[in-house]
Amino acid sequence: EVQLAQSGAEVKKPGESLKISCKASGYAFVSYWIGWVRQKPGKGLEWMGIIYPADSDTKYSPSLEGQVTMSADKSTSTAYLQWDSLKASDTAVYYCARPRRAMVDFELWGPGTPVTVS
Amino acid sequence: SYELTQPPSVSVSLGQMARISCSGEALPKKYVYWFQQKPGQVPVMVITEDTERPSGIPERFSASTSGTTSTLTISGAQAEDEADYYCLSADSTSSYYVFGSGTKVTVL
Repeated sequence: EVQLAQSGAEVKKPGESLKISCKASGYAFVSYWIGWVRQKPGKGLEWMGIIYPADSDTKYSPSLEGQVTMSADKSTSTAYLQWDSLKASDTAVYYCARPRRAMVDFELWGPGTPVTVS
Repeated sequence: SYELTQPPSVSVSLGQMARISCSGEALPKKYVYWFQQKPGQVPVMVITEDTERPSGIPERFSASTSGTTSTLTISGAQAEDEADYYCLSADSTSSYYVFGSGTKVTVL
């Protein structure tokens, strides 16, 4: 079965670091972009960036560049999103998503990882 | 930074037509994607590459682009179409993508 499994909910303090994961299964991980989408409580979807696991090519939202880092491990078919120093404003649900064939035609979504920074 | 503008809310009577707009300067040259999100659920793509309906999406969902505005149309809205809808597209150089602010569709 083609799916994206995300790591569990996190509760962190401001200033702490964090790395959440998105493990792909059922398809060729290196052949598709993986995107990250943030949704703050009660707010809309926010495009964070995308990574191409084959060569780790990345595109970041200008508003988030330098705030987060996307990476991918081909050996474990896992994409990661990490922060060096969390802020309260990072509190959100973080979704990973895989496109159908292009970059952002996201047809497959992970269940989301809730992150609370308080 | 680039922005896509959507109306905050749209109301439609059961069985009638709903139209949701998405405006952005680069839309004449960039694909638009539309996503539906129901409360507590992950988003679902209902339109890809401006006008294409992915497999499994009902025919009542369609979209078109004219100039700098893309419009998602729900023909014959059903109760289950009540949700938030978001457009997604790239900036003029395709350096990054943005979601619209989202439109809450209420089926009366």
